[in-house]
Amino acid sequence: DGGITQSPKYLFRKEGQNVTLSCEQNLNHDAMYWYRQDPGQGLRLIYYSQIVNDFQKGDIAEGYSVSREKKESFPLTVTSAQKNPTAFYLCASSRSGTDPYEQYFGPGTRLTVT
Amino acid sequence: SQKIEQNSEALNIQEGKTATLTCNYTNYSPAYLQWYRQDPGRGPVFLLLIRENEKEKRKERLKVTFDTTLKQSLFHITASQPADSATYLCAPLNNAGNMLTFGGGTRLMVKP
Repeated sequence: DGGITQSPKYLFRKEGQNVTLSCEQNLNHDAMYWYRQDPGQGLRLIYYSQIVNDFQKGDIAEGYSVSREKKESFPLTVTSAQKNPTAFYLCASSRSGTDPYEQYFGPGTRLTVT
Repeated sequence: SQKIEQNSEALNIQEGKTATLTCNYTNYSPAYLQWYRQDPGRGPVFLLLIRENEKEKRKERLKVTFDTTLKQSLFHITASQPADSATYLCAPLNNAGNMLTFGGGTRLMVKP
């Protein structure tokens, strides 16, 4: 089955610890994205990558880091510098180019930091 | 700054009626607008794309309009069903690649 996977579904961490969220896709998409969603709110873009070995900051990149060493993978690290890390994190992928391609989303990871 | 507004209050309608959801945007001139459906605890799923030169787009029971003068998109579900209950997100898109900006979403509840 083609798709985008995120793991784990639920993640619990203590304050001050870094944590890495996994995102893998087998859709052969060039572009990948990370969003954060807080209760009752829309999605906010954290980082995006249009091609391997390149990525750009989104609207709320502070306290987060990413890497894009492989086309299929785009892991997100939530660092201890992120002030309010508890949220629902969504990864997405799409074809890349100047057309408005739809984004395919993973099932999300709910991170709770106490 | 760019602002996208969707009614944050839930929309409750009776099964069989037409649901109409609104997406307004300011300080923004998107060339496209996408609509997504999101079920609780899940990632959004793409529904429809409409371009600025299209007044209306249809897909089965779904219809989207795009009024660039009013800076508004309307999303209609005709003959609504309880299975249509979900949160619907609009996402205007500019010309610079695929950077979507999402509205806060409107929760639709269809009662049998």
